[in-house]
Amino acid sequence: SQTIHQWPATLVQPVGSPLSLECTVEGTSNPNLYWYRQAAGRGLQLLFYSVGIGQISSEVPQNLSASRPQDRQFILSSKKLLLSDSGFYLCAWSVEVGRPTNEKLFFGSGTQLSVL
Amino acid sequence: AQKVTQAQTEISVVEKEDVTLDCVYETRDTTYYLFWYKQPPSGELVFLIRRNSFDEQNEISGRYSWNFQKSTSSFNFTITASQVVDSAVYFCALSEEFNGNQFYFGTGTSLTVIP
Repeated sequence: SQTIHQWPATLVQPVGSPLSLECTVEGTSNPNLYWYRQAAGRGLQLLFYSVGIGQISSEVPQNLSASRPQDRQFILSSKKLLLSDSGFYLCAWSVEVGRPTNEKLFFGSGTQLSVL
Repeated sequence: AQKVTQAQTEISVVEKEDVTLDCVYETRDTTYYLFWYKQPPSGELVFLIRRNSFDEQNEISGRYSWNFQKSTSSFNFTITASQVVDSAVYFCALSEEFNGNQFYFGTGTSLTVIP
């Protein structure tokens, strides 16, 4: 069966420090991968998505970046964190079932990031 | 423009009451998919349902039911005889045919079921 792993679960970082959040998917190949952020207002904001290795689409210009070094690995990074980067970060995956149509999103357990 | 609108920010009901969560969407595609997700306090989003635009039949799964009406661009979710375990944030989402790699989420409705 497919599983998604996201870590760490909780992270407290000072302003200006770097960030690296990792997400891996098991049990499937060539998934579409996503990074979402959920700020205090609870809405889900799409940050990045990837349809293949090295292919990253950015939805919101900001000081975050994403990389997909392997088929089932998705990394969210920042060189210098801002206070506004605080939030709940969710990784998700899906599989295309025809044309660019996805069955559904499967979410990781999330990372609560606090930037102080 | 917001593609998915969940106008209800917070709802509180007493246990065993029925509650309906509203979802209004906007799209120009004729083929699209609608979703509902539940986010319990643990944080992980749990998939509840996926409905394609050609299937307007209402669906019932236990205490959960969904009312899809294309005429009003709505996909409402009803919980019958609510329970404390239903307390969560619920998200409605949309995926369009020709941009199917993107999922557009509403801002969520926080449901509190009071015992």
